[in-house]
Amino acid sequence: GQQLNQSPQSMFIQEGEDVSMNCTSSSIFNTWLWYKQDPGEGPVLLIALYKAGELTSNGRLTAQFGITRKDSFLNISASIPSDVGIYFCAGLSNAGNNRKLIWGLGTSLAVNP
Amino acid sequence: DGGITQSPKYLFRKEGQNVTLSCEQNLNHDAMYWYRQDPGQGLRLIYYSQIVNDFQKGDIAEGYSVSREKKESFPLTVTSAQKNPTAFYLCASKDHHEQFFGPGTRLTVL
Repeated sequence: GQQLNQSPQSMFIQEGEDVSMNCTSSSIFNTWLWYKQDPGEGPVLLIALYKAGELTSNGRLTAQFGITRKDSFLNISASIPSDVGIYFCAGLSNAGNNRKLIWGLGTSLAVNP
Repeated sequence: DGGITQSPKYLFRKEGQNVTLSCEQNLNHDAMYWYRQDPGQGLRLIYYSQIVNDFQKGDIAEGYSVSREKKESFPLTVTSAQKNPTAFYLCASKDHHEQFFGPGTRLTVL
């Protein structure tokens, strides 16, 4: 199945640093979703984006829907130890009857206290 | 509390046995999904259902079966035909464009 290009694959940072990750696609999407998964748990939705150019914040998290509709970015400011986990992007296209989410492979974040 | 429940959290089975994973939601969502997650592979779609009594194959449906007799329930059966069933299985339901996940079931086949 189709997958998104998510980068970086992993990050190891110091507490207090800012983090940036992104997802790109060869296809246009109408919705971008960002999830966080803790070890052994299901992913939790962080931010949903519905409009090209949209910039949305959720606490220390900020995500943007790229104006080309082929990419999205997630930034975490002033990281803390509980930010550790895997971050996934997912995109949804309205093309045809295929309305499955397309997923990135995840960015694994480690934070050194 | 509204949410998605999956049971059990951990499941062990002998090779060659069928096993059914439970997924229940009380969010009144029409659509439900099953994903498989392996290390480094992200989430891969097994089956999905947009409405009761209807379901569609995802990207890796071989060796799995599902049913959707009730809106609240979407059980997944891992059959003996699945060559490598050991994995973390996630169930989700959808509200508009957003999917919400259960806590997952880790299946280990010995």
